[in-house]
Amino acid sequence: DSGVTQTPKHLITATGQRVTLRCSPRSGDLSVYWYQQSLDQGLQFLIQYYNGEERAKGNILERFSAQQFPDLHSELNLSSLELGDSALYFCASSVAHGQGTGNTIYFGEGSWLTVV
Amino acid sequence: GQQLNQSPQSMFIQEGEDVSMNCTSSSIFNTWLWYKQEPGEGPVLLIALYKAGELTSNGRLTAQFGITRKDSFLNISASIPSDVGIYFCAGQLREYGNKLVFGAGTILRVKS
Repeated sequence: DSGVTQTPKHLITATGQRVTLRCSPRSGDLSVYWYQQSLDQGLQFLIQYYNGEERAKGNILERFSAQQFPDLHSELNLSSLELGDSALYFCASSVAHGQGTGNTIYFGEGSWLTVV
Repeated sequence: GQQLNQSPQSMFIQEGEDVSMNCTSSSIFNTWLWYKQEPGEGPVLLIALYKAGELTSNGRLTAQFGITRKDSFLNISASIPSDVGIYFCAGQLREYGNKLVFGAGTILRVKS
């Protein structure tokens, strides 16, 4: 158990709909990251928040948005869903925002999204 | 963008054999990480490497951070059935903060 909690574990929704994925980081971690894992694209970084502020942006679509709340939990909002958005979405957390010893990134178990 | 080339794509080995996989890149990375992912789980960190040339072990696992900072390898000695899973290398670039760039993964199957 990494200590990163994600909900829901599984979600099936229709095209055009909007969903929200939720993440609670490990206790004490200020950074939250969102990753998308699909068969054809592998693990892709979407976005990072540190202590409530957006820190880095990756391959995140404009239809997707995220935020980190004062209690440090984060939500990833996916709207106007398309079939190709079906994937495993991971949240990860770390203590700080930089690199180096002690700032290990821990992953949650992921949220399976199926768009039909 | 930055790409990590991970090989081999998959391996099917006999229990007890040693395993070796590697990642290369055209970019210089500041940190190399190796993760293992099992079905229904998120990636779990196995080994983290922070200095060029660093060689680190974790039980039967050994990983090295290449001198050029553009490559890393992971060795698993005396494989056992529970080693089955997908192994990912990941690199971090200082100019991209803590963002992880992942390799495509190596699928390991062990025949007992």
